[in-house]
Amino acid sequence: DGGITQSPKYLFRKEGQNVTLSCEQNLNHDAMYWYRQDPGQGLRLIYYSQIVNDFQKGDIAEGYSVSREKKESFPLTVTSAQKNPTAFYLCASSIPSTGGGTEAFFGQGTRLTVV
Amino acid sequence: QKEVEQNSGPLSVPEGAIASLNCTYSDRVSQSFFWYRQYSGKSPELIMSIYSNGDKEDGRFTAQLNKASQYVSLLIRDSQPSDSATYLCAVNRPSYIPTFGRGTSLIVHP
Repeated sequence: DGGITQSPKYLFRKEGQNVTLSCEQNLNHDAMYWYRQDPGQGLRLIYYSQIVNDFQKGDIAEGYSVSREKKESFPLTVTSAQKNPTAFYLCASSIPSTGGGTEAFFGQGTRLTVV
Repeated sequence: QKEVEQNSGPLSVPEGAIASLNCTYSDRVSQSFFWYRQYSGKSPELIMSIYSNGDKEDGRFTAQLNKASQYVSLLIRDSQPSDSATYLCAVNRPSYIPTFGRGTSLIVHP
């Protein structure tokens, strides 16, 4: 089945630790995104990549890093510089739609908690 | 001004009623508009897309777009308790990056 797989589903991080969230897709989509969602809030863009070996900062990139070495994979590292990392992290990929926009498809999310 | 604005709700409607969800956007050059449904603790799923002014119907869902007023809405007819969720409005930036509103919580009560 085609889709986007995020792992792990739940992740606990100690203060000062770096952690990496995995995102893999087999939809053959060029574009991939990372969003952060806090309770009662919408999705805020962290990083995006529209092609392999290239990525751009989103609206809240500070304290995060990414890589895009393969089309299928777009891992997100939450560094110790991120002061408030507890949130629900969503990975998405997108395909150009017939109407000219891009329709995004999401993984199941990773819930990160700082302990 | 936020790029995409939605009333956070909750919007409460009785079963069988029409639920009306609204969204405004700030960038006049936006061309693509989407509605996503997100159940509690789950990821968003795309339910409607609309690109032209007017109405687009899909089953019990109707999306409405008015580019002059920079306004997009979602109507859910014959609302069911299973429709209870958060509905996210999304707009493509000129670079085709999906930008989301904070979502409107819908509660359909029996």
